[in-house]
Amino acid sequence: QTVVTQEPSFSVSPGGTVTLTCGLSSGSVSTSYYPSWYQQTPGQAPRMLIYTTNTRSSGVPDRFSGSILGNKAALTITGAQADDESDYYCVLYMGSGIVVFGGGTKLTVL
Amino acid sequence: EVQLVESGGGLVQPGGSLRLSCAASGFTFSSYAMSWVRQAPGKGLEWVSTISVSGDYTYYADSVKGRFTISRDNSKNTLYLQMNSLRAEDTAVYYCANSGPLYYYDSSNYHRDYWGQGTLVTVSS
Repeated sequence: QTVVTQEPSFSVSPGGTVTLTCGLSSGSVSTSYYPSWYQQTPGQAPRMLIYTTNTRSSGVPDRFSGSILGNKAALTITGAQADDESDYYCVLYMGSGIVVFGGGTKLTVL
Repeated sequence: EVQLVESGGGLVQPGGSLRLSCAASGFTFSSYAMSWVRQAPGKGLEWVSTISVSGDYTYYADSVKGRFTISRDNSKNTLYLQMNSLRAEDTAVYYCANSGPLYYYDSSNYHRDYWGQGTLVTVSS
């Protein structure tokens, strides 16, 4: 069974740039997987940031961007702010109506 | 204002059953696919199931296939999740969601993103 992989944790300095990735245990992520990204803070429901690889959801600051980098989907935060400290999840479409979330990345801003 | 309100969570013994409900308001419920996503304590998100607009098409994660059944009543604006043969590993907060990436077949609504606050299901003896 294919697993969606993410870095368990990442750290970025305020104002810095960080790129989180979303890969597959077997194979490459492409736009055909319709990668999307969610942000979740403790005790809250998830919030969609990016859908279909690189489209920002309504109200999401433009410091968040999505792309394909090599064989992975990527979420880049440019000019990180303190309130970007959250858990970030990618989700991929696997076919036949099935989607799979990655394990999530805990981002620390310090 | 869109609202999704889950109910029905609680403590249940292993092997038992539970039915979750999600009451929707503030949008035309009958026009959108709906999903359940869960999160075990201290763990990540796990997609559970999605149902099409009419309810004719349903999709499940392997971990719940054959044990859980998603359904909807468009006349009552309500989504359901019938959970049978519950296991300890089903313990989680269950979220009801109308979120575009969780339903591939409706590209015109990929931009939508609404979630409930979740209901906790605990499976323990």
